[in-house]
Amino acid sequence: DAMVIQNPRYQVTQFGKPVTLSCSQTLNHNVMYWYQQKSSQAPKLLFHYYDKDFNNEADTPDNFQSRRPNTSFCFLDIRSPGLGDAAMYLCATSRGAGGTYEQYFGPGTRLTVT
Amino acid sequence: DAKTTQPPSMDCAEGRAANLPCNHSTISGNEYVYWYRQIHSQGPQYIIHGLKNNETNEMASLIITEDRKSSTLILPHATLRDTAVYYCIVRPSGGDDKIIFGKGTRLHILP
Repeated sequence: DAMVIQNPRYQVTQFGKPVTLSCSQTLNHNVMYWYQQKSSQAPKLLFHYYDKDFNNEADTPDNFQSRRPNTSFCFLDIRSPGLGDAAMYLCATSRGAGGTYEQYFGPGTRLTVT
Repeated sequence: DAKTTQPPSMDCAEGRAANLPCNHSTISGNEYVYWYRQIHSQGPQYIIHGLKNNETNEMASLIITEDRKSSTLILPHATLRDTAVYYCIVRPSGGDDKIIFGKGTRLHILP
């Protein structure tokens, strides 16, 4: 039973062409996260939502935006992708914020920028 | 920066116990020790977490030293499917919810 679903699994976009990645969850969790993972590196948090409250990491580029229209869905928008934005993008959810709650990750979307 | 230190890679024979160490000498009293693993081209998978006491679940055991400055993840009977990068992470119980992944340990299970 899929719990954190990411579509598509593979996405190819052109340099500078806006792209949206989607994440949905069946866990009814309050918190949703987006991570970026470049090749051979560890995942890096971009931002997260606690319910409708958006929390941006200080070093996340302005090129990256997010939307959470309801509890189940969260989107990552890359307004003008550059070659350096090619990466695996991981969505995760947790019931609450902080170390008491584990995060559940989706399978990721691998983004290629041509 | 990650608050944990792990060996970059380890080997373990199939069927044997895999013991993965982690140092977290600056851990605070309200910080949990978490373990995740990431199999190639998949999202990270939660394994186990603990605060002070040792923990066990269907996947693994977590042994935390009494001073909490280090811990060991134990996979009791490693299989080839356990080949992955294992991340040890320290997370506060509240407040800032940032998970900072370190470089992890690449575990190779040898047939």
